[in-house]
Amino acid sequence: SQQGEEDPQALSIQEGENATMNCSYKTSINNLQWYRQNSGRGLVHLILIRSNEREKHSGRLRVTLDTSKKSSSLLITASRAADTASYFCATDTGRRALTFGSGTRLQVQP
Amino acid sequence: NAGVTQTPKFQVLKTGQSMTLQCAQDMNHEYMSWYRQDPGMGLRLIHYSVGAGITDQGEVPNGYNVSRSTTEDFPLRLLSAAPSQTSVYFCASWSSLFPEAFFGQGTRLTVV
Repeated sequence: SQQGEEDPQALSIQEGENATMNCSYKTSINNLQWYRQNSGRGLVHLILIRSNEREKHSGRLRVTLDTSKKSSSLLITASRAADTASYFCATDTGRRALTFGSGTRLQVQP
Repeated sequence: NAGVTQTPKFQVLKTGQSMTLQCAQDMNHEYMSWYRQDPGMGLRLIHYSVGAGITDQGEVPNGYNVSRSTTEDFPLRLLSAAPSQTSVYFCASWSSLFPEAFFGQGTRLTVV
């Protein structure tokens, strides 16, 4: 079964708006990572947050982590058409292999 | 510096045939993994390796074998292809020092 589940499954917004997607997971983690996938291509790493961190920023990305609720959120501010992609959370539970969620498909309308 | 290279990019197999998907990385990463992605879904872990000579099963290992004789290469073997193995396969690698995974471009496999 999937370790992580993203919510919503699909999101459609206008350019300039913010996009928020959420991830829930089941077991203890070392870190949680977010990846982007463009149209069936390989995944690209976006940001990593460690289990002892609560919030992290990278450019237009902000990720939060709540280990008590086993959840994370990814915020993309001032979205652009080029942000259209699928976004996945991935957890590192210490076994040195990432476990991925089911993904959120983001559509940014120009 | 090519990163993670997967070959072939596309493959059509007949049921019962065997084949090997190749994965090579040139970043000296210890960790490598194989995933499959079915339409509209996330990635499911097939097998992974924490170093040369060490492999372990993921969530969906049945029907697949792996070996890791060198740090660079991590081939995935389909023993007897089945239509249920139609999927896109991704190989990934990363290091313990910088735990962000690098992915290959994928192999799109169709079993008829």
